[in-house]
Amino acid sequence: NAGVTQTPKFQVLKTGQSMTLQCAQDMNHEYMSWYRQDPGMGLRLIHYSVGAGITDQGEVPNGYNVSRSTTEDFPLRLLSAAPSQTSVYFCASSYSQREMSDTQYFGPGTRLTVL
Amino acid sequence: KQEVTQIPAALSVPEGENLVLNCSFTDSAIYNLQWFRQDPGKGLTSLLLIQSSQREQTSGRLNASLDKSSGRSTLYIAASQPGDSATYLCAVGPGGYNKLIFGAGTRLAVHP
Repeated sequence: NAGVTQTPKFQVLKTGQSMTLQCAQDMNHEYMSWYRQDPGMGLRLIHYSVGAGITDQGEVPNGYNVSRSTTEDFPLRLLSAAPSQTSVYFCASSYSQREMSDTQYFGPGTRLTVL
Repeated sequence: KQEVTQIPAALSVPEGENLVLNCSFTDSAIYNLQWFRQDPGKGLTSLLLIQSSQREQTSGRLNASLDKSSGRSTLYIAASQPGDSATYLCAVGPGGYNKLIFGAGTRLAVHP
């Protein structure tokens, strides 16, 4: 298994540009999520999905869109990039049980700089 | 609103020491608590997951405890090694599924 993969590893955008961060997992996990990590802060949840066709907002969803058309893929779209979105973005996945929780597997991250 | 705090923010110890990393959370209504390791420029690796009904979990030289009533968890690392140098993150699951709330981490350096 490749686990959780993310592309690209690095990206530089200009303010106002849009782009999609890709995330894929080959473990047949139901639950997938996106976090951002800023210096001196813990990871913060952007959006999550509990299965194909189902997404919901996390703590910091503004400026981001997601969709989940397949179990494997969970792309994150930046609609109009702003310097405040400069961050490291992590995708994670796990089996999903409503009453319990399972180990989350994280991708290697995408380092995004918005100029 | 759930808040997770990790103390200390950074720690430097000589090789061989036993050490304790601390994590506290403000709302005791959690489903689970997880400890992760993050190496520079890398993603997170799960170390231990403690369900809300459990008191501790062990893996090799690592032992994590959970005291929900006091809102605390500790990660104990025995006989530390230079390879343990990394940032250790604590995260709580406040509800169903895996919507984690993270602390800012403790950056650990173990020197020979």
